[in-house]
Amino acid sequence: DVVMTQSPLSLPVTLGQPASISCRSSQSLVYSDGNTYLNWFHQRPGQSPRRLIYKVSNRDSGVPDRFSGSGSGTDFTLKISRVEAEDVGIYYCMQGTHWPWSFGQGTKVEIK
Amino acid sequence: VQLLEFGGGLVQPGGSLRLSCAASGFTLTHHAMSWVRQTVRGLEWVSAISVSGKNTYYADSVQGRFTISRDIFQNTLYLQMHSLGAEDTALYYCAKCESDNCRPGFDYWGQGALVTVSS
Repeated sequence: DVVMTQSPLSLPVTLGQPASISCRSSQSLVYSDGNTYLNWFHQRPGQSPRRLIYKVSNRDSGVPDRFSGSGSGTDFTLKISRVEAEDVGIYYCMQGTHWPWSFGQGTKVEIK
Repeated sequence: VQLLEFGGGLVQPGGSLRLSCAASGFTLTHHAMSWVRQTVRGLEWVSAISVSGKNTYYADSVQGRFTISRDIFQNTLYLQMHSLGAEDTALYYCAKCESDNCRPGFDYWGQGALVTVSS
């Protein structure tokens, strides 16, 4: 099975400052159709997860453009250009390339 | 789009439980669907069903014990769970895939149904 490893697991951030989360997979996430199925989700306290980004860098509708995703192969990054209070919570990467699909352990973002 | 899960609760080890997920705002015949569970360890994909309903997929941890199904007339997704153990204690989410492909992840999630396995 593909193991997804996120770092850091805890990320204290200052409002207005950038933040970055790394996600690494144990195998390449390039699928046979040419797509790379690496997705990012955000879960606010007490809420269900919400997808932010799919296929590495595509933002979901309504997701602020301060969120961006990048990477290829086995190394991926989620960046927040300027952290806002509503960005707190846990961020998960997820791979949809290999069965069974798998999530990273989660990165908890909190305000300093 | 709305997903409402029902059927969670307390069950004894070895017992069974069926979760339901009532979908509205879209039809199950146009979207693949999944169940994802959450424990203190994080998120775990559990099961998926194809657009046609003919293909089902399971995580190794639930293979042979859980069955995913749907009722297209009720527009409802189900997860039948048997031989439950403490490791199955989790918040179970019903999740919608964008189309026939769940690989880009899940664009809508339900509020979750809590399953607690304990004597």
